[in-house]
This record gives sequence, structure tokens and C-alpha cells, in this order.
Amino acid sequence: AQSVTQPDIHITVSEGASLELRCNYSYGATPYLFWYVQSPGQGLQLLLKYFSGDTLVQGIKGFEAEFKRSQSSFNLRKPSVHWSDAAEYFCAVQGAAGNKLTFGGGTRVLVKP
Amino acid sequence: DTEVTQTPKHLVMGMTNKKSLKCEQHMGHRAMYWYKQKAKKPPELMFVYSYEKLSINESVPSRFSPECPNSSLLNLHLHALQPEDSALYLCASSQQDGGSTEAFFGQGTRLTVV
Repeated sequence: AQSVTQPDIHITVSEGASLELRCNYSYGATPYLFWYVQSPGQGLQLLLKYFSGDTLVQGIKGFEAEFKRSQSSFNLRKPSVHWSDAAEYFCAVQGAAGNKLTFGGGTRVLVKP
Repeated sequence: DTEVTQTPKHLVMGMTNKKSLKCEQHMGHRAMYWYKQKAKKPPELMFVYSYEKLSINESVPSRFSPECPNSSLLNLHLHALQPEDSALYLCASSQQDGGSTEAFFGQGTRLTVV
């Protein structure tokens, strides 16, 4: 069975500082990996995805993520956060065999002025 | 057009009511999904439709009844719900080409059962 762990429930970062959100997955083969962002009461917006190829993927809003097979990780980074980045971030994994998307527990990001 | 549109945005219903949530996409996607999200929790998969046929039912109670009338529309019929069913209900769609596909989510319907 596939699973995702996001070890940090909350992260507080100052505006302009760098941000890194951790994601560890469990899946028997090469997974398809995603990062989504959700503002309060809203739907989920896809930030970036990894299917294959280059392990460093670029996404929208200045985010990037690196796939590390040896560590079963897919951490999300942003060099300089903006107040508008305050939201809930979900890492998700999807297997090749089906359409089931499994989410991690989420990390809430708070941005201090 | 990369939108998934859900209506209504908010719904309050009594435990004896019957209501429906609607979802629409015009991206030509052949897989559509219903997720339930409780406060401060990740979305949980309820149903998957693939080519208008129900392919996954995650042991959802029968008071939730999905329907896919055509490739663009997905409904969730609600009947005799409980207060614990109050949640954000999210619809999503994706291309039907195996695992290398991304899901597009709607803005959700905030359901309150009183």
C-alpha cells in the first residue's frame, strides 16, 4: 500500500526567509509525486509534480522539489517566502496502476511579517 | 479551460433532507473523483469514476450515492446524513492514462448537516 508522511504539522517562517517542507513516501515502485497547496476553505492547487526524469522539478509560485529515491523523499522548497504563501501544503503519491491519490497529513505554513 | 466547477459552494441540510452536489469539468478528462475533507485533515478519497463507470468506492456509507451522467458531470446525492458528515467535499478530475496524470480540484462544497 502507498503512504505519505509529512513530519512537520506546523512551520512558521519569516517573510523573505527560505522554506523547506518535508515529505516521505512509501511505495513499492517508482511513484508519481505531487505537492498541492490549499488556502483556508478552498480547493487544492497543484504546485508541481514528479513523474520521471530530472529529479529536481520546478513548479508554480517559485516552488521547487527534489525527488530522492534513496531517501524516499520529495521535499518542497522555496528560496524566499511571501506572506501569500501562508497555507496548508499537501504531499501526495499516486501509483502507476490506478488513479488513487494518497495524501500526507499536511503542513500548515505560517508567515511572520 | 483547466477548471473544475462545483456547486453549491455552501450547503446546509437537515438529517432528513435529500440534496445533491454537482461537479463539472470541460477538460476532456475521463476520470472523476469525490473526496471528503474534515477540518485540519487531508482529503480522503470516496469514489472514482473512470469512463463514466464507478471504479473505486472506498467503503463509503450508502447515504452517499455518486452518479456520473456523462463524461463532464459528476454528482453526489446525499440522503439521511449525520452531523459527522459535515465537511468540505472536493471534486477532482484527471486524464485517464494511468498513473502519470495530475488531478485538478474544484473549490469544494462546504456541507453542514444540522
